[in-house]
This record gives sequence, structure tokens and C-alpha cells, in this order.
Amino acid sequence: QITLKESGPTLVKPTQTLTLTCTFSGFSLSTSGVGVGWIRQPPGKALEWLALIYWDDDKRYSPSLKSRLTITKDTSKNQVVLTMTNMDPVDTATYYCAHLGYNYFDYWGQGTLVTVSS
Amino acid sequence: SYVLTQPPSVSVAPGQTARITCGGNNIGSKSVHWYQQKPGQAPVLVVYDDSDRPSGIPERFSGSNSGNTATLTISRVEAGDEADYYCQVWDSSSDFYVFGTGTKVTVL
Repeated sequence: QITLKESGPTLVKPTQTLTLTCTFSGFSLSTSGVGVGWIRQPPGKALEWLALIYWDDDKRYSPSLKSRLTITKDTSKNQVVLTMTNMDPVDTATYYCAHLGYNYFDYWGQGTLVTVSS
Repeated sequence: SYVLTQPPSVSVAPGQTARITCGGNNIGSKSVHWYQQKPGQAPVLVVYDDSDRPSGIPERFSGSNSGNTATLTISRVEAGDEADYYCQVWDSSSDFYVFGTGTKVTVL
């Protein structure tokens, strides 16, 4: 059974760096073909893909946010970490991590709401 | 970058058929996936690879994809189908993942 859960601060100040952790179970990020992605959703708005890391440590980032994002993995802890620099109120959103199937997201975490405010 | 366009809303009476479109340049050459999201919940995959259903998804959910439009069809709509629906593709030319603009399905 695959499960994922996001954790991190619920409130960050403008210009700060956000660090979110995705802790998962039921699969290994050292298995060929496996990936974990991050997706966010501002209140009342659409889903937006942010970043993805593959089992071989290959990484992909949304072109519009690439300069602000870093995704890493700790295979021994079954965790994936996303950092986003220079946070702004427009970055207020629910952040999800998800398991990558072939090229779709078949298992999602419950999401964590991050508010950016001074 | 690749853009996926969906109608903002679709309304349907119970028992009828809802069709949700997802438009993209030559989307028929890509694999399209669909997610259902109910208020306050994480998205759930309901169709993958254009027309396949994950285990546990009712047969009422089906998909098709051709030309510049992919379609999610919900047959015999029930009140519980009221939700937001998103399409998604992997853009192989850029190796990015793209979500559609989302469609709110209202059951009258």
C-alpha cells in the first residue's frame, strides 16, 4: 500500500525559503522507474506541477519556477524534500507530493496548506 | 510551454452523461490522464493513458483522445460525481508535466 504525507511550516514570511518534506511508504525511490513529484494548488485555482525526482536522481522543474526550486531525495529515509526560495504571497497554496506512475500521478498525499504572509 | 485548456464548468442532470474536454496542440499524440478532486481532498486518478481506469474506478468513467481534443465521459452521472476534474499530460519534448485548467462539474 503506497502512502505519502507532506510536512513543513504552515506559515512563512515573504522572502523566506520554504522547505517541505514528503515522507512515503510502500515503494522505494531506489527502484528503477520510480519518481516522486510536487504539485501545488492556490486556493480556488488549478493544479500546478512544480518538480519531480526520479529513482536515478534525475530531476525536472517547472520552467516558470526553476530558478527557485530544488528537489532532493533521501532514499534511506523514504523522503523527498522540496525547497522554494524567495516566497511571496502568491505562493500561498496547498502543496501535494505524489507518486509517479508511468507518466501520471497515481498516489497523492493529503496536501499541506502553506500561507505566505508577514 | 504546452497548454491544456478545459471548459470552466459543466452542468449535468443525474442519470445523464457529462463530457469534459481537454484541448491541446496535437494532444492525440500524447497520453492523457484525468483526475477528480472533491472539495478539501487530494486529487484522485480516474483515467490514465487516455482510456484506462485504475482499480476501483467505476466503468461509468471513460476517456478518449484524438486530434486536438481529449474527452472524459461520465455516464449515468450521480450526485457523488460533483467535483473538479483535471486533465494532465507529459510533454515529451520538454520532459515537463502539465495540468489542464480544470472543469467544475455540477450535478443539477
